[in-house]
Amino acid sequence: QLQLQESGSRLLKPSQTLSLTCAVSGGSIARDHYSWSWIRQPPGKGLEWIGFIHTSGYTRYNPSLKSRVTISADRSKNHFSLELTSVTAADTAVYYCAGGNDYGDSPWGQGTLVTVSS
Amino acid sequence: QSVLTQPPSASGTPGQRVTISCSGSNSNIGSNAVNWYQQLPGTAPKLLMFNTNQRPSGVPDRFSGSKSGTSASLAISGLQSEDEADYYCAAWDNGLSGLIFGGGTKLTVL
Repeated sequence: QLQLQESGSRLLKPSQTLSLTCAVSGGSIARDHYSWSWIRQPPGKGLEWIGFIHTSGYTRYNPSLKSRVTISADRSKNHFSLELTSVTAADTAVYYCAGGNDYGDSPWGQGTLVTVSS
Repeated sequence: QSVLTQPPSASGTPGQRVTISCSGSNSNIGSNAVNWYQQLPGTAPKLLMFNTNQRPSGVPDRFSGSKSGTSASLAISGLQSEDEADYYCAAWDNGLSGLIFGGGTKLTVL
């Protein structure tokens, strides 16, 4: 069973770049027909999709974040990553990584709180 | 404001049947499958329903999903105290070319 764990910068100043990594264990990140996603949740608010990378290599991003977001995958390390540039306080949130396919397999990481503050 | 509209709250007593609605448009629910997520307090969301009405392995059959036109619903029968959580619907939006979530519904078991 897949397990996901987020790690990375948790306290940032405005204009810095957020970098998070999601380590995948219990299976390969290269599995067929699978997508690896990032979702965030501001404190006390709802979920916001950031984007995903498919095992075939294509990416899709939230249009509202597209100019600042890059999601990449490293098969040799069995992890995938999120970079969000020029952060502001509005980017303060719990960031979740998640996997998924069309057959109901959808493991999530426990989430990591990223705070942007001057 | 979310593109998918959910009631902010819902409630029921143990054993009751509760439904949570999710209203969208032709570009999302009207064209694509709906997923539902359950988020227990202090935990990560968990996929509860996929492809509108299919339950992942391990999800009790007390949970069911449906869709009609541009609206979807999640029904919970035989309500239990452990069902108290936030519930989110999600669907791909063809116009936005992205995944959208509803604003979430907080379910209280009285």
